[in-house]
Amino acid sequence: EAQVTQNPRYLITVTGKKLTVTCSQNMNHEYMSWYRQDPGLGLRQIYYSMNVEVTDKGDVPEGYKVSRKEKRNFPLILESPSPNQTSLYFCASSLFAGGRGTGELFFGEGSRLTVL
Amino acid sequence: QQPVQSPQAVILREGEDAVINCSSSKALYSVHWYRQKHGEAPIFLMILLKGGEQKGHDKISASFNEKKQQSSLYLTASQLSYSGTYFCGTAPKPIQGAQKLVFGQGTRLTINP
Repeated sequence: EAQVTQNPRYLITVTGKKLTVTCSQNMNHEYMSWYRQDPGLGLRQIYYSMNVEVTDKGDVPEGYKVSRKEKRNFPLILESPSPNQTSLYFCASSLFAGGRGTGELFFGEGSRLTVL
Repeated sequence: QQPVQSPQAVILREGEDAVINCSSSKALYSVHWYRQKHGEAPIFLMILLKGGEQKGHDKISASFNEKKQQSSLYLTASQLSYSGTYFCGTAPKPIQGAQKLVFGQGTRLTINP
């Protein structure tokens, strides 16, 4: 089954404790992206990746890091989480980006993160 | 800059029609529409490209007016399954892909029996 898988789905942590949210897709998609969703603000892009070893900042990258060492995986790293990073996080992938393909995004199920 | 969606929320009875608008202060090349049911991931509905084309499937259609920098989503004879939050995503550059897509704040649609 074609899917984007995120882990963990739910996490409660404390300020400053490094954490990683994993994202994996099995559709051989080139493009992957991370979004955070907050009430009244919609989906805001954190980072995106056009392909392996190619990443770039989205609209709200502060406090986050990403890496793309393999095509299927795109982990989101919070080096020192703070309470303002409490949010619902979505990973998404698309077959192509930058002028090719339909641009349809396939989203993971979401990871709800609470930072105390 | 995020596009602005209106209304923020709408409640309908089954069978009624709804229109959701998405406006941008920037010139647009494409508009993408997604629906998210409560507790689930957003699902792709359609993409509209510069040229004013109207698209649709089933009883959901959309238009894109690049001169006015806005798009509208039309839900005709709404069904209970249409309930959810609708997001528009806009891309200012001439690309079809999902790169740098900027989403609106969402419109919550509730369909009652």
